[in-house]
Amino acid sequence: QQKVQQSPESLIVPEGAMTSLNCTFSDSASQYFAWYRQHSGKAPKALMSIFSNGEKEEGRFTIHLNKASLHFSLHIRDSQPSDSALYLCAVRGAYKVIFGKGTHLHVLP
Amino acid sequence: GPKVLQIPSHQIIDMGQMVTLNCDPVSNHLYFYWYKQILGQQMEFLVNFYNGKVMEKSKLFKDQFSVERPDGSYFTLKIQPTALEDSAVYFCASSLEQGRNSDYTFGSGTRLLVI
Repeated sequence: QQKVQQSPESLIVPEGAMTSLNCTFSDSASQYFAWYRQHSGKAPKALMSIFSNGEKEEGRFTIHLNKASLHFSLHIRDSQPSDSALYLCAVRGAYKVIFGKGTHLHVLP
Repeated sequence: GPKVLQIPSHQIIDMGQMVTLNCDPVSNHLYFYWYKQILGQQMEFLVNFYNGKVMEKSKLFKDQFSVERPDGSYFTLKIQPTALEDSAVYFCASSLEQGRNSDYTFGSGTRLLVI
């Protein structure tokens, strides 16, 4: 059974800081690795996804995957108060996506 | 962008009664999912549905649960009978495929309270 774990559980950073969120998974055959963002009371929304080892950058957001280490991460450059939300990492095996418990990010103005 | 609509947003129901949660997925999506989230806990996979069939279900998908999408209408999750432990937020999601366009589009959830 796939296990997906996130760290830290919560994070407070000042505006303008670099934020790093981590996710580990247990199934080395996993094929899809993604980050979702959920504002309170709203639907989770896909931020970025990656399928092979390496990095992918979109604007202020970078996702990094290391399958050998069973680890991927999300880095947010120049963090903004509007980035404050619950961040969920997601890993897919055959038919289903398993989500982590989430990291609560608070960016202080 | 495209949205998944969930109806109702809130539901209160007496234990033992039946409840149907409705989901209107993104129109060209082919795969449909239900997830369950108890307050403060992980969002947990319930079921994956494609081409009229359940592809995979978790141990949380008890015998009292069923899903269907008759003739391209709502994708529904039915619980009959309900139990107190079914109280949670239920999220519906859809995706175009399970390859490189695997990103899920989620609805805003149905908050179910069984009393």
